[in-house]
Amino acid sequence: DTEVTQTPKHLVMGMTNKKSLKCEQHMGHRAMYWYKQKAKKPPELMFVYSYEKLSINESVPSRFSPECPNSSLLNLHLHALQPEDSALYLCASSQGYPGATNEKLFFGSGTQLSVL
Amino acid sequence: SQQGEEDPQALSIQEGENATMNCSYKTSINNLQWYRQNSGRGLVHLILIRSNEREKHSGRLRVTLDTSKKSSSLLITASRAADTASYFCATAMFSGGYNKLIFGAGTRLAVHP
Repeated sequence: DTEVTQTPKHLVMGMTNKKSLKCEQHMGHRAMYWYKQKAKKPPELMFVYSYEKLSINESVPSRFSPECPNSSLLNLHLHALQPEDSALYLCASSQGYPGATNEKLFFGSGTQLSVL
Repeated sequence: SQQGEEDPQALSIQEGENATMNCSYKTSINNLQWYRQNSGRGLVHLILIRSNEREKHSGRLRVTLDTSKKSSSLLITASRAADTASYFCATAMFSGGYNKLIFGAGTRLAVHP
């Protein structure tokens, strides 16, 4: 299984809602990532988990809360989002430690989030 | 600021033609990677070239790396309509004990039948 699976594929939420994005991989990868991508822009790194511990937080607002329950799962909890948070949220994984060189990322198809 | 900058921003060609995309970066790198993204989908890794390599091939893809100019190019030969996608270069920036993969602005390629 070489897939990273993200659910849901589409999500519409109001600014007062609480929702969660889910990501799952069964490749035995030990690093997992959240990226945010606005239309016609490159993906921007949000969070990195390494061996189920949060390793990198790119100064992301607290209304985004990541969670890594186990080595196969990654969640992104959303609360009190703003319309400008509307974007494609991409999950990715890589085999080893994020500090290792020559690591390539495997991406899920993303969740297209609209905040009304 | 972005580590990688790409040009052109958009490229439109006919099937069968070759497509060349360029990427420039700012700092020293261990490797440079190219990814492809179909509209509204996730990115797919295409090829990785190490800093001590100058050229690499994979099927119809040819990647070159010039570390003295801090630039790379991706050539797709004999393009097909299915190659229509956005192509991103990515470089690893070492920060806080980790290599963070930073993506360039991307080139949107349209291949017309």
